[in-house]
Amino acid sequence: SQKIEQNSEALNIQEGKTATLTCNYTNYSPAYLQWYRQDPGRGPVFLLLIRENEKEKRKERLKVTFDTTLKQSLFHITASQPADSATYLCALGANTGFQKLVFGTGTRLLVSP
Amino acid sequence: DAGVIQSPRHEVTEMGQEVTLRCKPISGHNSLFWYRQTMMRGLELLIYFNNNVPIDDSGMPEDRFSAKMPNASFSTLKIQPSEPRDSAVYFCASTLFGGTNEKLFFGSGTQLSVL
Repeated sequence: SQKIEQNSEALNIQEGKTATLTCNYTNYSPAYLQWYRQDPGRGPVFLLLIRENEKEKRKERLKVTFDTTLKQSLFHITASQPADSATYLCALGANTGFQKLVFGTGTRLLVSP
Repeated sequence: DAGVIQSPRHEVTEMGQEVTLRCKPISGHNSLFWYRQTMMRGLELLIYFNNNVPIDDSGMPEDRFSAKMPNASFSTLKIQPSEPRDSAVYFCASTLFGGTNEKLFFGSGTQLSVL
């Protein structure tokens, strides 16, 4: 069965460092991958989308890589700030004709001042 | 833009009662999704609609769950009868399928507690 794995343990880092979150998947061939941010009591908010033919995508302090051979995506936040503390979810989508995203369980990031 | 609007924000009910969750998608969006989120299982897709038509309801756990979208600006998710294991946060999301960016816009969710 399809499986998406994100580190269930919280990631604690110091302000100013680079945070790296991992998303691994099995039994799936996604056409694209998305990353979302979720704050407590709120719905997920879209951050970045990367397609299967793209290796890397950047947006301000965010960088996403997508390795379809390793079946892995890495999500980086450079120069992290306490305001970056949140849960980050990866989601995989396939070319099914209609949008159908499958989400990982998310990794909680804590950035200490 | 008001975003996706869900109501109520919190719902506490007793086992066996009927629960109705409501969603107003973003105007102009043609796809609507209902997700359920728990600590153990994360975000699970229950059902999604395109142009008000249910496309895939394979994620609906049981016949106790039903969803409708009578028009482009309103959808409901009903649980009848409710059970304690239905306790979770239920999210509605919408998007414009066929647009240049397939991102989902989520509401703030309904926290459901079935006692």
